[in-house]
This record gives sequence, structure tokens and C-alpha cells, in this order.
Amino acid sequence: EPEVTQTPSHQVTQMGQEVILRCVPISNHLYFYWYRQILGQKVEFLVSFYNNEISEKSEIFDDQFSVERPDGSNFTLKIRSTKLEDSAMYFCASTGTADLGYTFGSGTRLTVV
Amino acid sequence: GDSVTQMEGPVTLSEEAFLTINCTYTATGYPSLFWYVQYPGEGLQLLLKATKADDKGSNKGFEATYRKETTSFHLEKGSVQVSDSAVYFCALSKGGSSASKIIFGSGTRLSIRP
Repeated sequence: EPEVTQTPSHQVTQMGQEVILRCVPISNHLYFYWYRQILGQKVEFLVSFYNNEISEKSEIFDDQFSVERPDGSNFTLKIRSTKLEDSAMYFCASTGTADLGYTFGSGTRLTVV
Repeated sequence: GDSVTQMEGPVTLSEEAFLTINCTYTATGYPSLFWYVQYPGEGLQLLLKATKADDKGSNKGFEATYRKETTSFHLEKGSVQVSDSAVYFCALSKGGSSASKIIFGSGTRLSIRP
């Protein structure tokens, strides 16, 4: 069964450093998303991406965040200057249409120290 | 705005007990509804879905029926197993053929005692 692949599975970074989280969505999917889950809490929407541009973003997705689909297969989330409160599990997801359901990756646990 | 409300956890049951996890939603129009499951240390897996009123989603012995009149999508299983211990998320999406974001409830942690 097709999978969404995320790397790395765990990243530790120092406060103020830039991080890039990588995702390979399912190849024939058109819509891509990033979500985050602070430990034990709700899964929160960050951003959706379609046709090479952001289609929606949440208030969490401020100027420190950016997304890119650089080569037609990867989908990346960059945090420019990490803060302690960015520590969370970050999930990438993709779908062809909402009716089919959304496929999530297994996540990247980001720890900012 | 659109939202999902699900019962507070944790829920602790004995093996072979009947499970209900309540979920209600607020949304305009006709959203698609989902249950996702998160096993310890893992990502989110789609458990079941329903895309229109009165549809019943089912998978692995779990069921949920899309009730528009009560705006509900309660998850049920007739006989739970220890391996069902996980966090369960109810969710909705307005996208249809053009996929908008999925909105999650706060999750319900389920623990099953042998």
C-alpha cells in the first residue's frame, strides 16, 4: 500500500537554528499538508499546499515557517529560527480527494533545546 | 467555524467489552467524516470514513454511522481487544473533490485491560 514517508524520524536542534523536515507524499496525490501535535495534545493544522502554492494556513504558520515542493516528489517544511515551543511531532499528509481520506506519514519528532 | 467535539478520555475497558466513543461535529454543508487511530509511538492511521449522511464506515470490527440529524459520528466496537489500546481521533473535512484541510477532535485515549 502506498505510504507517505517522512525523514528524519527524530531531530534535535538548538534554539534559533533552522530545520527542514522532509516528506515524500504519495505519487499521484495532489494536495499536501503539514500538521503538528504537541505531546499529548490535539493535532493542529499548519498549512495546505496545492498546485505549487499555499492554499490555506493557520495562525501558527507565521513568517518563521515555509513550505516547498522543490522537485515534484519532496514536500518540505522549514522552520527558520526554532523556538522551544516548536517542539512537537510534525506530520505530513497527502490526498487525491477528501473523499478518499488523507494518508499521514509516521511523523518527525522535533525537539528544540 | 467548523469543529469536532469528542468525548473526554481516558476510557478504560475490559477485554471483550462494548465500546462507544462519542463524536459530534459543527460544519456547514456536507463534510466527510473520519476516525483516525494513533497507536503508541506511531503516526495517524485512517480507521474508517463516511462521505454522506447515513453512510456507515467500518473497518477491523469498528463502525460509525454519519448522522446528519444529530451531527454525530460515534465510533463503536462490539468486543474490544487489548490491541485496540490507542488514541482515537474523530475528524472532518469539507473538501469533497477539492480537498480542504482535515479538522481533528481532541482525541480519546482508550486503554483495554486483559
